[in-house]
Amino acid sequence: KQEVTQIPAALSVPEGENLVLNCSFTDSAIYNLQWFRQDPGKGLTSLLLIQSSQREQTSGRLNASLDKSSGRSTLYIAASQPGDSATYLCAVRHSNYQLIWGAGTKLIIKP
Amino acid sequence: GAVVSQHPSWVICKSGTSVKIECRSLDFQATTMFWYRQFPKQSLMLMATSNEGSKATYEQGVEKDKFLINHASLTLSTLTVTSAHPEDSSFYICSARDSASTDTQYFGPGTRLTVL
Repeated sequence: KQEVTQIPAALSVPEGENLVLNCSFTDSAIYNLQWFRQDPGKGLTSLLLIQSSQREQTSGRLNASLDKSSGRSTLYIAASQPGDSATYLCAVRHSNYQLIWGAGTKLIIKP
Repeated sequence: GAVVSQHPSWVICKSGTSVKIECRSLDFQATTMFWYRQFPKQSLMLMATSNEGSKATYEQGVEKDKFLINHASLTLSTLTVTSAHPEDSSFYICSARDSASTDTQYFGPGTRLTVL
């Protein structure tokens, strides 16, 4: 059974720092992995999607990596800003198309 | 941990038929549930917010009469796609907000709808 774990559950860092969020999964037979951002009271925003054949994806200050063999993905945020404060979720999509969600990391960027 | 289930996980239907998708919170009460849809390679789009015992609040551009939402109990919300068309084919995800912790939202595994 696929399980997705996100560490840490919460993170607070000063503005300007680079940071890494971690996501691990137990079954490497994934279709893809997505990182989402959730703002309080709002919906989800897809940040990056990595296909199972890819190693990383980049968008602006965000970089997501995928290592299927070790069951890990990281989301790297460069030069963090207060506007980056949100909950970040990773989700693994199985070949059966269902999503398995991590519990999320609540990120606070202090001005 | 908290679990949200969806049923069915995958459904194929003919154009013109209606399809009901269930979303259940398995070990917590959810006063509020949310319905999203996601097209390939796109973000999840919030369709509506469902509150137990009251009418759902739909996002702009979402047809209320086409996507019927019922939240009759604290653990169950249903989304019915009426008179489905091929363009309704998508991935539908629900989430449930734990009534005991308004900041915590749990997501379901999704339902893949294919309309022929």
